[in-house]
Amino acid sequence: QLQLQESGPGLVKPSETLSLTCSVSGGSIRTSGHYWGWIRQPPGKGLEWIGTIYYNGNTYYNPSLKSRVIISVDTSTNQFSLKLTSVTAADTAVYYCARDLLRRLDSWGQGTPVTVSS
Amino acid sequence: EIVMTQSPATLSVSPGERVTLSCGASQSVSSSLAWYQQKPGQAPRLLIYGASARATGVPARFSGSGSGTEFTLTISSLQSEDFAIYYCQQYNDWPLMFTFGQGTKLEI
Repeated sequence: QLQLQESGPGLVKPSETLSLTCSVSGGSIRTSGHYWGWIRQPPGKGLEWIGTIYYNGNTYYNPSLKSRVIISVDTSTNQFSLKLTSVTAADTAVYYCARDLLRRLDSWGQGTPVTVSS
Repeated sequence: EIVMTQSPATLSVSPGERVTLSCGASQSVSSSLAWYQQKPGQAPRLLIYGASARATGVPARFSGSGSGTEFTLTISSLQSEDFAIYYCQQYNDWPLMFTFGQGTKLEI
């Protein structure tokens, strides 16, 4: 059974870079047709798609975040990562990684909370 | 940018009732529409994709319908475990893009 697990610092200072990793187990990140995405949810609010990556490195970003987001993949470790630069308090959220299977997000990590504060 | 609008924001219902949740798109998304259920402290769970296909393991009491700009999620007989927030989400293949609605909360 596919499992995804987010990891990374829970506290980031304003203007710094948020860095998270999603570890995939129970399946290969190189599986054809499987894409891998990041989604976030500010406290008490709805879901926001951040971006998606394919194992070959092709990336797709939310236009509203594109200037600050980098998503990368490491097929040797079956992981993909998120970097969000120049963070502010508005970036405080629970960050989820998920598998994008034909554009449906069918497997999710449990989420990791990130707070932006000095 | 496509905007997804869900109504109502909150719905007070009783176990055993039939419930219909609505989701509208600002422009046609064909059948590129999914529904998710989220319980407190948990990740969202995929319920419906392609507007009407149930995801693996989803009970038959959940059904989705619609195309174009108007979509509905129906729960035929509410169970206690169905009280949660439900999100619709549209997706584009090119450019690849996901947009979520703001959610509908089902409360007792």
